[in-house]
Amino acid sequence: GAVVSQHPSRVICKSGTSVKIECRSLDFQATTMFWYRQFPKQSLMLMATSNEGSKATYEQGVEKDKFLINHASLTLSTLTVTSAHPEDSSFYICSASKGRAYEQYFGPGTRLTVT
Amino acid sequence: QQQVKQSPQSLIVQKGGISIINCAYENTAFDYFPWYQQFPGKGPALLIAIRPDVSEKKEGRFTISFNKSAKQFSLHIMDSQPGDSATYFCAARGGANNLFFGTGTRLTVIP
Repeated sequence: GAVVSQHPSRVICKSGTSVKIECRSLDFQATTMFWYRQFPKQSLMLMATSNEGSKATYEQGVEKDKFLINHASLTLSTLTVTSAHPEDSSFYICSASKGRAYEQYFGPGTRLTVT
Repeated sequence: QQQVKQSPQSLIVQKGGISIINCAYENTAFDYFPWYQQFPGKGPALLIAIRPDVSEKKEGRFTISFNKSAKQFSLHIMDSQPGDSATYFCAARGGANNLFFGTGTRLTVIP
């Protein structure tokens, strides 16, 4: 149990375009989902926390208009990188949790390359 | 500001040896301390976790030692195997259920 999927696993897009990444909890209902960014050989940096049905809470320094997060259901959250630029190229990882007292389960990540 | 400090950055251990990774934190409000294993191109996977009211937890070859007064915790991997070669992250959970990750340790177990 506690499987989290991400789609796509890797995506290449041109500078200026937008790309959407999906995060799904496959076998449980996730009241909270988290989005992280990881640069090569570096740690995971939390970008935002989203609770189902409410607006996401963004970490300091993360542009909410650039990284749009939607958590429309208890099993799906999406991250849209708008007007992507090469510096947005990174590994994006989501995690999902049933709630405060529960584990975060991580997805397999999405490799975004902006050319 | 790095809320969780992790060392060493990289570690090379002979097969069968003990791998030890250390972490330290400052925020006494952290209430849960998991360790994650990550292989290249994959998301992190929970390995073992501990709460601050426990000083040690063992699961198979993996042991967490926790020192609340020193605000330090460590991961010990006994009988290290080449398949254990990965990057390990410690983390600490804050009040909003958010995780603060250490900087990671790249472990290489040589046959």
